[in-house]
Amino acid sequence: DTAVSQTPKYLVTQMGNDKSIKCEQNLGHDTMYWYKQDSKKFLKIMFSYNNKELIINETVPNRFSPKSPDKAHLNLHINSLELGDSAVYFCASSQERIAGETGELFFGEGSRLTVL
Amino acid sequence: QQQVKQSPQSLIVQKGGISIINCAYENTAFDYFPWYQQFPGKGPALLIAIRPDVSEKKEGRFTISFNKSAKQFSLHIMDSQPGDSATYFCAASKGDYKLSFGAGTTVTVRA
Repeated sequence: DTAVSQTPKYLVTQMGNDKSIKCEQNLGHDTMYWYKQDSKKFLKIMFSYNNKELIINETVPNRFSPKSPDKAHLNLHINSLELGDSAVYFCASSQERIAGETGELFFGEGSRLTVL
Repeated sequence: QQQVKQSPQSLIVQKGGISIINCAYENTAFDYFPWYQQFPGKGPALLIAIRPDVSEKKEGRFTISFNKSAKQFSLHIMDSQPGDSATYFCAASKGDYKLSFGAGTTVTVRA
């Protein structure tokens, strides 16, 4: 049973379109994240939610809008897609703050977005 | 601005050899330093982690060395195996909800 699952795994779309990625975790964690991994494999945090409350918003364009309907789900909606949005988007969760044995991040398998 | 600098970008090692990846940081508020391993098509997964009050931590063939005064830490993979071929990320946290990753090192182990 997958701990952090995200769908879809692949998205190919045209510039200007809107797309959503869904994420669910069954680990009972309170905190969920969206990370973006670019073509050079650099991982950068975009958002974090703790118990449905936004706690990190890393100067991401407002075309990106996260939504957390409950603490087990964190979705990402992207409006007006641009070429530079092409990347792999990872959802992750953690039990507590990232500080020691309970602070492990559990990642999903990623959603590869290609904007043409 | 990258808060954790990682090198090399890639390395190739023969089976049985030692892989060494180095990381450096500036922010002395960091107090938790994990390493994540990522295989192609998968998400990163925690490999090993260390806190700054410890100079070395070993788990199997993986060892973290930590030099607090130099603000540097490194991952050593002993007796490297083809199955170790992956991208390795060092990271640092201030104990909050934000983990800052290094740029990653792609390790290729040749049989």
